[in-house]
Amino acid sequence: EIVLTQSPDFQSVTPKEKVTITCRASQSIGTSLQWYQQKPDQSPKLLIKYASQSFSGVPSRFSGSGSGTHFTLTINSLEAEDAATYYCHQTSILPYTFGQGTKLEIK
Amino acid sequence: EVQLLESGGGSVQPGGSLRVSCAASGFTFSSYAMGWVRQAPGKGLECVSGISGRGGSTYYAESVKGRFTISRDNNTLYLQMNSLRADDTAVYYCAKWAGQWLIQGFFDYWGQGALVTVSS
Repeated sequence: EIVLTQSPDFQSVTPKEKVTITCRASQSIGTSLQWYQQKPDQSPKLLIKYASQSFSGVPSRFSGSGSGTHFTLTINSLEAEDAATYYCHQTSILPYTFGQGTKLEIK
Repeated sequence: EVQLLESGGGSVQPGGSLRVSCAASGFTFSSYAMGWVRQAPGKGLECVSGISGRGGSTYYAESVKGRFTISRDNNTLYLQMNSLRADDTAVYYCAKWAGQWLIQGFFDYWGQGALVTVSS
């Protein structure tokens, strides 16, 4: 089973700050890596597909990069509405696994 | 607009059974694989089951294999859960896959979730 390890687990940030979340895979997964945003009491929403492709309707301040075992989600100019938990998800090899999540708190 | 609406959640005793459903609309249901992802209270996400667009291929996580059965029919996705245990307690999300088969793709839309509580 592929293990995805996100860092940090928690981050407290101020509006307009730039945020970078990292996801490391225990083995190479190419670019079969997605990023989801989950706000409290809501279902996850897709932000980035295939490591770097923005999903329809996602604000341009969200971007993704990486391949193989190292991936990053970047949020430029953070907004208050970005307070959420972010998950990476690999769909390269079954079982498809998720990272443990990164919780972003807005100061 | 893609819509996924789960129903059928509730409380059940250990060893009991429950079926959750997901009514889908806004897309050609049989053209897309579907899946169930669960989230235990305060925890992360786990893919528990998936099914191809026409239903001929299924996937189960080891944690539910032999106890859960996924099926689909007429714009509705189902998850039959038997021999339920306390560690099955979770919100169960229905999710649409971005392709016919559960390979080389991703979940693009999710329902609002159905809470299943297993407790005596």
